[in-house]
Amino acid sequence: EVQLVESGGGLVQPGRSLRLSCAASGFTFDDYAMHWVRQAPGKGLEWVSGIDWNSGSTDYADSVKGRFTISRNNAKNSLYLQMNSLRAEDTALYYCAKDAYLRFGDYYDYFDYWGQGTLVTVSS
Amino acid sequence: QSVLTQPPSVSAAPGQKVTFSCSGSSSNIGNNYVSWYQQLPGTAPKLLIYDNNKRPSGIPDRFSGSKSGTSATLGISGLQTGDEAAYYCGTWDSGLSAAVFGGGTKLTVL
Repeated sequence: EVQLVESGGGLVQPGRSLRLSCAASGFTFDDYAMHWVRQAPGKGLEWVSGIDWNSGSTDYADSVKGRFTISRNNAKNSLYLQMNSLRAEDTALYYCAKDAYLRFGDYYDYFDYWGQGTLVTVSS
Repeated sequence: QSVLTQPPSVSAAPGQKVTFSCSGSSSNIGNNYVSWYQQLPGTAPKLLIYDNNKRPSGIPDRFSGSKSGTSATLGISGLQTGDEAAYYCGTWDSGLSAAVFGGGTKLTVL
């Protein structure tokens, strides 16, 4: 059974940093691209970032480019999101999502499994 | 504002059929496959449809998907109260080089 368990969320002041983690199990982690998708309270889904199977390619939403960094450790079956210079508008539930393929961004791409999310609140 | 456009809400009675629309452009739906996700209250999104019209194993055939041009449609037949949820369409946007979603449609089963 595929499991994705996020951690690392919490309350943080504007301008500070936070690192999210996602522990994966139930599938061969280094065979798939991975993503972070967030959902602000009462709002819809927003893709944040993706990374392909061997970290050879990463991409970011314009709203976080230059502030967030996605990474993965295939030996530890883990995905990470380093979030710097946090803003109030980054407040959201952050989901780890598994891609259906090795690489992301192709015309047939989709997310086949999602974690339960970790809540990030940016407030003074 | 979401890149893909979905109506905010739809309602129908148990047993009926309902459809959800998702509108985009040539840089996303027009040239890429569409997926659909169900988010029950208080839970994570779950994949319902991929490649425009394919269902993952375990998803009943009451759920169907289609695409025409720059629009896509999700259909649910034989509505049940347990289908009350938000439904999101998603795809890749080649111009933005980003995954994009619709704003979601909340289904109420009366």
